[in-house]
Amino acid sequence: NAGVTQTPKFQVLKTGQSMTLQCAQDMNHNSMYWYRQDPGMGLRLIYYSASEGTTDKGEVPNGYNVSRLNKREFSLRLESAAPSQTSVYFCASSESGQETQYFGPGTRLLVL
Amino acid sequence: GQQVMQIPQYQHVQEGEDFTTYCNSSTTLSNIQWYKQRPGGHPVFLIQLVKSGEVKKQKRLTFQFGEAKKNSSLHITATQTTDVGTYFCAGPPGGSYIPTFGRGTSLIVHP
Repeated sequence: NAGVTQTPKFQVLKTGQSMTLQCAQDMNHNSMYWYRQDPGMGLRLIYYSASEGTTDKGEVPNGYNVSRLNKREFSLRLESAAPSQTSVYFCASSESGQETQYFGPGTRLLVL
Repeated sequence: GQQVMQIPQYQHVQEGEDFTTYCNSSTTLSNIQWYKQRPGGHPVFLIQLVKSGEVKKQKRLTFQFGEAKKNSSLHITATQTTDVGTYFCAGPPGGSYIPTFGRGTSLIVHP
């Protein structure tokens, strides 16, 4: 069991470039989440997917899009990266919304 | 919207001292979860409390859920250098689907 995996681990982008962060879980969980973590700000929810085929906005969705490709995979896309999107991005999954969340190792993104 | 506040933001202790972090919600929570994140790592689940007034222990860690289900605390007895990290609480407000995370308390233990 790999748990939750994320790719890439690190990425440097120039302002205006686009990229997709990939996340996959092998625990057969229904719910998946994308968070960003900035110093002193804790974990802020970007988007979540309660179940396959559904996605909803979280606290800070602007500048991001998501796709729940299937039950295992949930991707986060930055269409036109901005320096304000420099952050550490975590994907997580849970059996259902109120249950324990399992986090991936994170993607460290720097936008120049 | 719901807010989950954690205090203190940082705590420095000498190894062997006790440590407590507090979590307060503006609304009643269905449950409270605690996570630990080591420096450079990702959050890892520690425990979930569900019942009003619930107390759970894990070795030197004691977790409490308030009677009104709006606050919680994590107490570590006799801290060790392995306790270093940021401790987050998270809770879904009653009727909500997903938990809101507090900003975390960073624990620094000096040997």
